[in-house]
Amino acid sequence: GQNIDQPTEMTATEGAIVQINCTYQTSGFNGLFWYQQHAGEAPTFLSYNVLDGLEEKGRFSSFLSRSKGYSYLLLKELQMKDSASYLCAVRARGEMTTDSWGKLQFGAGTQVVVTP
Amino acid sequence: GAGVSQSPSNKVTEKGKDVELRCDPISGHTALYWYRQSLGQGLEFLIYFQGNSAPDKSGLPSDRFSAERTGGSVSTLTIQRTQQEDSAVYLCASSLGAYPSYEQYFGPGTRLTVT
Repeated sequence: GQNIDQPTEMTATEGAIVQINCTYQTSGFNGLFWYQQHAGEAPTFLSYNVLDGLEEKGRFSSFLSRSKGYSYLLLKELQMKDSASYLCAVRARGEMTTDSWGKLQFGAGTQVVVTP
Repeated sequence: GAGVSQSPSNKVTEKGKDVELRCDPISGHTALYWYRQSLGQGLEFLIYFQGNSAPDKSGLPSDRFSAERTGGSVSTLTIQRTQQEDSAVYLCASSLGAYPSYEQYFGPGTRLTVT
């Protein structure tokens, strides 16, 4: 299986930048996702990385280093609506021969609190 | 367009009873996933279906849990002889396929409470 670690909680001020780190240990790596989940709601997709480097989408960027088993999600120009849990999820191929692409394993999530 | 739907949205059941949770994926999505999320916890993978392939059941916590997917569309997760530790939000997700880059679209979940 995979070990996926991310901080439990982070607090930042409106307009600031926050970086959420995620480290993982796995074999058969097939990509890393970041999801946002507001309280009481379903997770929604933010980003996907499979190659090393930075992917930028508006105020959100995600970085991956496969050799280090490390990713981060960068949230810029924080807004109050960004207060949510951010989930790091790793896709890795299992041992089953039928598991061609692998299932997603999620970290416990990082609760980001944005203050005025 | 229509997203992933789940029913019921809330279910309260007595310990020892069986429950069925339903998921309607997005039309055309061949991959379907079930997760559960306990309070304050991350998502725990349960099972996934991809097309006509044998499902990956490696995340099911016990033989009380089973799932089926009929006609490659609707899926039902069944929990037999429910226990209090089964209380959680059960989330279903679907994706266009199982290709790694395909994002998963989540339904609103079913909140199960076992009393």
